[in-house]
This record gives sequence, C-alpha cells and structure tokens, in this order.
Amino acid sequence: NAGVTQTPKFRVLKTGQSMTLLCAQDMNHEYMYWYRQDPGMGLRLIHYSVGEGTTAKGEVPDGYNVSRLKKQNFLLGLESAAPSQTSVYFCASSPPWAGRKNEQFFGPGTRLTVL
Amino acid sequence: AQSVSQHNHHVILSEAASLELGCNYSYGGTVNLFWYVQYPGQHLQLLLKYFSGDPLVKGIKGFEAEFIKSKFSFNLRKPSVQWSDTAEYFCAVLVGGSARQLTFGSGTQLTVLP
Repeated sequence: NAGVTQTPKFRVLKTGQSMTLLCAQDMNHEYMYWYRQDPGMGLRLIHYSVGEGTTAKGEVPDGYNVSRLKKQNFLLGLESAAPSQTSVYFCASSPPWAGRKNEQFFGPGTRLTVL
Repeated sequence: AQSVSQHNHHVILSEAASLELGCNYSYGGTVNLFWYVQYPGQHLQLLLKYFSGDPLVKGIKGFEAEFIKSKFSFNLRKPSVQWSDTAEYFCAVLVGGSARQLTFGSGTQLTVLP
C-alpha cells in the first residue's frame, strides 16, 4: 500500500493564479482531511470529508474549496491564490474500523509558495 | 472550542538527557490524545495515542506519555534522547463527535546535540 500520497510536492504560484492539490489514499478510509502547517501555529484544519460526495469546513476554510468525487481522492483547490496561502499542506485520512478509527494517517505534504 | 497548548516552543538537549514535553488541553469531556512527530522534511508520524484505560501509554522509539485527567495534561517523556530524536513534536486532541477533527498544538522543536 502506498498509504496517503499528495501531488505535487512543490509548487510556486503567482498571486491570482489557481491550482488544485490532489490527495489519494489506498486504504479504503472514509474520512479525509486537508490541513495547512505554518510556523509556530501547528496544523490547522481547512476542510474535511466524512465520505464520498461530502465535504465540510474546518477551522480555516476561506479561500479554499474541496471535492470528494471518489472515496480515495480528496482535492483541495485555490481559486485565486494569495501570499497568505503560502504554507505546507498536509492531507490525512482515517479508517472506519473500531480501535483505529480516530487515528489519522498523513501524506508527505505539498509546499506551496505564492508570490 | 477545544484548544491544545504546548508551552515549550524549542527545547535543546544533549544526547542521553531526559525529555519531557508539556501538553495541556482545554475540554471537559471525553478525549482521545495523540503525539505526532515530524522529522526534518518528512510528514507527520504517530508516536503514541491514548483512547482509554491505562493512562500511561507507550509508543514507538522509547517514548511514553501520561494522561492526567485532573490536570488536562498529556506530557511526552523519554528517559534518554538520541540525536535522531531531533524533530518537531505535536500534541493533538480529538473530542467526541462524528467529524473526528483533530486539534493540534503549535508544536515543540526538539534539538538534540551529539
């Protein structure tokens, strides 16, 4: 199993450009999450999904959109990138089975710079 | 809303020293608690977790943590650190509910000097 993978690993955007980050998991997990990590602030939840076709807002959703058209994929979109969105983005997923259902598995991250 | 505090932002130790990293959370109900580690340039990995039962939990690489409900704390310990433990450590709490949302602390950077 590859676990949780993220594409791309690095990206540089100009202000106003758009892009989509892809998260994929091959563990049949129901729940998926997008976080951003900024120095001194830990990880903050952007959006999450509790199943295929569902999404919900997290702590810092503004400026982002998400879609979960397939169970294994969770896409994070930036419609008009701003320098404040320069960050490292992590995707995570958690399994449905009891005993480990509250444990999240993280991807390798995407480092995004907005100029 | 729940919050997680990690008061030590940067800890510097020599090899073989003992480690204790503080973590306090604010939530009065049932919680699940986690410590994650992020080695330089890598993604987060689970060190250990507390769901219920014995409040002293043991994780990978010799780490352990103690859940003290009365103090709302879940401190991470290791009796003897190694240079390879240099990393950033995050405490996280998950409260009840269907969303299973983790709330993270701001992290503690541990530097172990050889």
